[in-house]
Amino acid sequence: SQTIHQWPATLVQPVGSPLSLECTVEGTSNPNLYWYRQAAGRGLQLLFYSVGIGQISSEVPQNLSASRPQDRQFILSSKKLLLSDSGFYLCAWSVRGKPQHFGDGTRLSIL
Amino acid sequence: EDQVTQSPEALRLQEGESSSLNCSYTVSGLRGLFWYRQDPGKGPEFLFTLYSAGEEKEKERLKATLTKKESFLHITAPKPEDSATYLCAVLSSNTGKLIFGQGTTLQVKP
Repeated sequence: SQTIHQWPATLVQPVGSPLSLECTVEGTSNPNLYWYRQAAGRGLQLLFYSVGIGQISSEVPQNLSASRPQDRQFILSSKKLLLSDSGFYLCAWSVRGKPQHFGDGTRLSIL
Repeated sequence: EDQVTQSPEALRLQEGESSSLNCSYTVSGLRGLFWYRQDPGKGPEFLFTLYSAGEEKEKERLKATLTKKESFLHITAPKPEDSATYLCAVLSSNTGKLIFGQGTTLQVKP
């Protein structure tokens, strides 16, 4: 069966510090991978998606970037965090035509 | 513009009190409508996919239905463990993107 792992579960970072969140998927090959952000009381906002290694599409211009160095690894990064980057970050995977499945998220707080 | 609106935002029920959650959508070509359950501090958990008007899916106390403009998630005789936020999302055939609603937070009291 397929599983998705995200870490860390919670993170507190100062403004201006770098960020790296990692997501890995097991039990499937060549999945589509997604990064979402969920603000309190709001729906999920798609940030990035990837259909293959090195292929990244950005949905919203912002202070973040994504990379896919391996087939089942997806990384969300920032060089300098802003206060507005606080939120709940979710990674998801899917295969063509099937539902997306989510990890348990990272709660990011910027101080 | 593709859009998903869920109502109500919050719903409080007594255990055993059946009700329905609504998901209204406008989308340029529906490839699928998805329901998810999200517990506090966790990622959304997939419940159902509906593809065409008239389709219904059931799982335990939950039943999802679909029309051309909206979907309902019916909860029959809910239990406290059904308390969660329920998210609706539509997959647009035009953009290939999944558009989420804001969610309905359900609280079931014993």
